[in-house]
Amino acid sequence: EAQVTQNPRYLITVTGKKLTVTCSQNMNHEYMSWYRQDPGLGLRQIYYSMNVEVTDKGDVPEGYKVSRKEKRNFPLILESPSPNQTSLYFCASSPGTGAFGENIQYFGAGTRLSVL
Amino acid sequence: KQEVTQIPAALSVPEGENLVLNCSFTDSAIYNLQWFRQDPGKGLTSLLLIQSSQREQTSGRLNASLDKSSGRSTLYIAASQPGDSATYLCAVRPFTGGFKTIFGAGTRLFVKA
Repeated sequence: EAQVTQNPRYLITVTGKKLTVTCSQNMNHEYMSWYRQDPGLGLRQIYYSMNVEVTDKGDVPEGYKVSRKEKRNFPLILESPSPNQTSLYFCASSPGTGAFGENIQYFGAGTRLSVL
Repeated sequence: KQEVTQIPAALSVPEGENLVLNCSFTDSAIYNLQWFRQDPGKGLTSLLLIQSSQREQTSGRLNASLDKSSGRSTLYIAASQPGDSATYLCAVRPFTGGFKTIFGAGTRLFVKA
């Protein structure tokens, strides 16, 4: 089954304790992206990757790191989490093909993070 | 800077009603616009994607239109059903290179049986 898998689904941690949220897709997609969703603000893009070893900042990259060493995986790293990073996080992937911007995004089920 | 706005923030309608959800964006230089559905506690499901060269897309009871010159898109839902109750989000991909995506805050729809 084609899917985007995030782990863990729920995470409670404390300020300053490094954590990693994993994201994996089995569709051989070129593009992957991380978003956070906060009440009243919609989804905001954190980082995206257009291919292996190619990453770039979205609108809210501060406090986050990413890496793309393999095509299927795109982990999100919080080196020193703070309470303002409490949020619902989504990973997405897209084929990245199509001459006219066809880029349907497929989303994971989300990771709810609480930083105390 | 591209901004995406969705009005209304919430909408309640009786079953069977035809309805329109609105999405507006400030910069017409976009690759595409995508409509998503989000159920409580779930991820996003893509409904329709309209490329910048297109005016509309249809899937079943859903029809999405795009007017780049006015910075507007509408999602039309025909003969609404209680199962349509969800949050609907629109997102644009700006024509600035890369893979940036800008989302609206969504419209929460409730269809009453």
